[in-house]
Amino acid sequence: AQSVTQLDSQVPVFEEAPVELRCNYSSSVSVYLFWYVQYPNQGLQLLLKYLSGSTLVKGINGFEAEFNKSQTSFHLRKPSVHISDTAEYFCAVSRQGAQKLVFGQGTRLTINP
Amino acid sequence: GAGVSQTPSNKVTEKGKYVELRCDPISGHTALYWYRQSLGQGPEFLIYFQGTGAADDSGLPNDRFFAVRPEGSVSTLKIQRTERGDSAVYLCASSSGLHNSPLHFGNGTRLTVT
Repeated sequence: AQSVTQLDSQVPVFEEAPVELRCNYSSSVSVYLFWYVQYPNQGLQLLLKYLSGSTLVKGINGFEAEFNKSQTSFHLRKPSVHISDTAEYFCAVSRQGAQKLVFGQGTRLTINP
Repeated sequence: GAGVSQTPSNKVTEKGKYVELRCDPISGHTALYWYRQSLGQGPEFLIYFQGTGAADDSGLPNDRFFAVRPEGSVSTLKIQRTERGDSAVYLCASSSGLHNSPLHFGNGTRLTVT
């Protein structure tokens, strides 16, 4: 079985500062990794995904994440955040070839002016 | 085009009652998923349909929960004898069903059992 741990439940940052949201996973088999974002009063949207190939994955809105197999991590980063990035961010994992996603508990990103 | 639509957006019911939650997936999407999100938690998988059949229902918590997708499009999640612990946001997602195709989520139905 797979599991995901998001190490921070809340992350406050100032506008235009860099941010890193941490995600660690556990699995005995190869996995795919995802980050989803949930803006206030909206459904979950896919931010980026890692399936194979380059370990640095670029997503929408200037976000990127790096897959680190040895550390079983998939941290999300953005060099300069905006007020509009205020949202809940979820890391998720699926077994390769499977359809079921296992989500972490979420990290609430709050941007202060 | 239209996204995944879930109705109702909010549902309040009394303990012990029966409820139905509806999901309209994106047209043409063959795969449909139900997740449950409790307060302060990430979404938790319930069931996955490929076409009309439930390909994986391992996440349904007990036999009070049941879901159908009779024509391979709209799906209904049914909960019998609701309990206060069933209170959560129920999320539906659909995808094209192709390998690695992304999930498109609806805004969810917030169920409150009083």
